[in-house]
Amino acid sequence: SQELEQSPQSLIVQEGKNLTINCTSSKTLYGLYWYKQKYGEGLIFLMMLQKGGEEKSHEKITAKLDEKKQQSSLHITASQPSHAGIYLCGAVLGFKTIFGAGTRLFVKA
Amino acid sequence: DAGVIQSPRHEVTEMGQEVTLRCKPISGHNSLFWYRQTMMRGLELLIYFNNNVPIDDSGMPEDRFSAKMPNASFSTLKIQPSEPRDSAVYFCASSHPGTGTYEQYFGPGTRLTVT
Repeated sequence: SQELEQSPQSLIVQEGKNLTINCTSSKTLYGLYWYKQKYGEGLIFLMMLQKGGEEKSHEKITAKLDEKKQQSSLHITASQPSHAGIYLCGAVLGFKTIFGAGTRLFVKA
Repeated sequence: DAGVIQSPRHEVTEMGQEVTLRCKPISGHNSLFWYRQTMMRGLELLIYFNNNVPIDDSGMPEDRFSAKMPNASFSTLKIQPSEPRDSAVYFCASSHPGTGTYEQYFGPGTRLTVT
């Protein structure tokens, strides 16, 4: 979706390194989701952020929604091969969720 | 809970044939979504239902696509006639807005190849 820009498009990191993925909207976000998709599989919900400044963590993955609620970042600490996949951000529009194009993460062992 | 169930997992068909994709949402979920994912266009919402009623089908590409939800536990997405550009992975997802999170649970997808 052009309404949600994700960066980078792809990322290759060495195992153990930290990384950050960004999701930017031109409009105020009233709900921001992060999903992970393993190659060839469906999407798995990671977390949802609703309030400006909100930060949530799940294992070694932390996501934050900025105060203006127009950008979210997802940070992975000490990456592992199991973190490899496509990370998608999604924005809530009523009952619908639109998704960014995704960030493909590759983790080198 | 078995999660969202989709069938078939893979479908290969010839151009012009009718294709029917099936989805069983998670029991108790009252919203159902059909998505299409391609490398070029990413994940696109095709249509979503709330309480078995189609709410927004603006994402349906054209008249060749149709979707139905005859009851709370079953939905179909039909393409007739199919074309090579319909090749994609089609996902079904369900959610229960009552939880307040709108978290969507995705099925494993149906990989469609139209030759």
